[in-house]
Amino acid sequence: AQSVTQLDSHVSVSEGTPVLLRCNYSSSYSPSLFWYVQHPNKGLQLLLKYTSAATLVKGINGFEAEFKKSETSFHLTKPSAHMSDAAEYFCVVSLMEYGNKLVFGAGTILRVKS
Amino acid sequence: GAVVSQHPSWVICKSGTSVKIECRSLDFQATTMFWYRQFPKQSLMLMATSNEGSKATYEQGVEKDKFLINHASLTLSTLTVTSAHPEDSSFYICSARSGQQETQYFGPGTRLLVL
Repeated sequence: AQSVTQLDSHVSVSEGTPVLLRCNYSSSYSPSLFWYVQHPNKGLQLLLKYTSAATLVKGINGFEAEFKKSETSFHLTKPSAHMSDAAEYFCVVSLMEYGNKLVFGAGTILRVKS
Repeated sequence: GAVVSQHPSWVICKSGTSVKIECRSLDFQATTMFWYRQFPKQSLMLMATSNEGSKATYEQGVEKDKFLINHASLTLSTLTVTSAHPEDSSFYICSARSGQQETQYFGPGTRLLVL
């Protein structure tokens, strides 16, 4: 079975400081992993995806994530938070054996303080 | 590229009426479209998967007769909530993908409030 665990429901950082949003997965196969961002009352926007190429994936808006197979992790980072980064972030795994159906983590709400 | 739209963005209806939500892929052909539901402060839950020209596949616990899905063309899928009740109030989000690609592109969502 495959699942996704986002370890923090809420993360609060000051503007200009680093962001770390944690995600662990369990998978029977080599997974495809995604991070999506959702601003209030908006749809989801793809930040980045890992599909078995480079383990360090760079996304939009300065975000990046590193796939670590030994730790079954895919944490999302950004060196310097901006006020506009305040949103909810979802770690997502693609279920290859079910036609690439997506399974979402519970989400992490990022708050950025000025 | 890869833009998905939904219409309407907001809908308020009376209990017992039906509501249709449209999902369109604007700049690509969506061979598969997905419908999700998101309750307040919760994650997205997949309701159904629809492939163009065939019947939708519903997730366990989702009533196919209540949530009618049509995917008649490569750019349009519709979700009709029949005989809506207050417990159907939610944020409905569609996504679309082309061919066997893994990446899904999401619409902006439709907020449904049933009075």
